[in-house]
Amino acid sequence: AQSVTQLGSHVSVSEGALVLLRCNYSSSVPPYLFWYVQYPNQGLQLLLKYTSAATLVKGINGFEAEFKKSETSFHLTKPSAHMSDAAEYFCAVSRLGNQFYFGTGTSLTVIP
Amino acid sequence: EAGVAQSPRYKIIEKRQSVAFWCNPISGHATLYWYQQILGQGPKLLIQFQNNGVVDDSQLPKDRFSAERLKGVDSTLKIQPAKLEDSAVYLCASRGVSGRSKTQYFGPGTRLLVL
Repeated sequence: AQSVTQLGSHVSVSEGALVLLRCNYSSSVPPYLFWYVQYPNQGLQLLLKYTSAATLVKGINGFEAEFKKSETSFHLTKPSAHMSDAAEYFCAVSRLGNQFYFGTGTSLTVIP
Repeated sequence: EAGVAQSPRYKIIEKRQSVAFWCNPISGHATLYWYQQILGQGPKLLIQFQNNGVVDDSQLPKDRFSAERLKGVDSTLKIQPAKLEDSAVYLCASRGVSGRSKTQYFGPGTRLLVL
């Protein structure tokens, strides 16, 4: 069975500070992992994905995530937060790119 | 490339009424998903289609929810009768079969409020 746990439903950072959003996964098979961002009243937009290639994945808007099998983690980071990064972030795991299971989300607030 | 289209964007109904949502996936995408996203939660898969066949509907409340994907393109999700707890955003997503096939692309969602 596949599942994800996002630690911290709310994260606040100052503008220019490091963003770290945590995601741990559980999967009975090698997982595909995704981070999505959701702005108010919009659908989900893909930030980045891991599909068994390079363990450090770079995405859009300066975000990146590192797949760590030993820690079953796929944390999302960005070196310097912008006001426009304020949104809801979802981690998702997929079995071979088929069924997708989403975490409960982390709301990111950026403080000016 | 046009994205996933959904309509309506917003719907308000009273409990026990019926409602239907429509989704038009990205052209050529064989896989289509319907998700329910309750406020403050992550999306929960309701049903997955591969072309016009159902792959997974294990979390679809079949006593009141139904979905179809005629001709393997557009899809309709129906709730009949609606309950208060059905208030949520209903997201449609689609995925291709090759190339960037591991990625789902989401529509803007339909926000349903049941009074």
